[in-house]
Amino acid sequence: RKEVEQDPGPFNVPEGATVAFNCTYSNSASQSFFWYRQDCRKEPKLLMSVYSSGNEDGRFTAQLNRASQYISLLIRDSKLSDSATYLCVVKGEGTGFQKLVFGTGTRLLVSP
Amino acid sequence: DTAVSQTPKYLVTQMGNDKSIKCEQNLGHDTMYWYKQDSKKFLKIMFSYNNKELIINETVPNRFSPKSPDKAHLNLHINSLELGDSAVYFCASSQGQLGTASPLHFGNGTRLTVT
Repeated sequence: RKEVEQDPGPFNVPEGATVAFNCTYSNSASQSFFWYRQDCRKEPKLLMSVYSSGNEDGRFTAQLNRASQYISLLIRDSKLSDSATYLCVVKGEGTGFQKLVFGTGTRLLVSP
Repeated sequence: DTAVSQTPKYLVTQMGNDKSIKCEQNLGHDTMYWYKQDSKKFLKIMFSYNNKELIINETVPNRFSPKSPDKAHLNLHINSLELGDSAVYFCASSQGQLGTASPLHFGNGTRLTVT
């Protein structure tokens, strides 16, 4: 099983739609989870951390399900500018110092 | 006042050459990384340094040699470049700590093309 798995998409949605991505991870001991966003030919940028109780930042909501080992990202009222690849990131297995493992990303295309 | 800067942005070179990529961060972080993003967009860690000490070394060919002269700099030297080394190389930094991880801040990448 890969350490972090995501559906590559693309997810094609109209402006204003609500869209959700899931990501599964293998390290049951991980305490650290993030969502990053990567635009075409740009560096990944932190979108939000994911907390145990779930957290919200404007139109974005992140959830963690430890029992099933997945995290999710919900985007409400999609904007054209949300078009990007969303990377799920989890602290990897077997190391004290952090080794953040990236999923392959889910591509989102928001159309007018 | 760029937080993580790496140079060059583009690097085109022939097989067999040796090249270096430089990275500097002004965030005061104590941990720096090199990640490789291949043509399938998979972002994979290569190395990590904490306070100039190598702490993560993934299964990377020994043609790749990182060097950290101080905690604000992490350079990557690649010997005998091969076609398969073509990728985007990202430098990153974080305030590293045991246990809970802190988020990474990335440089804008070096697009390496080996011909």
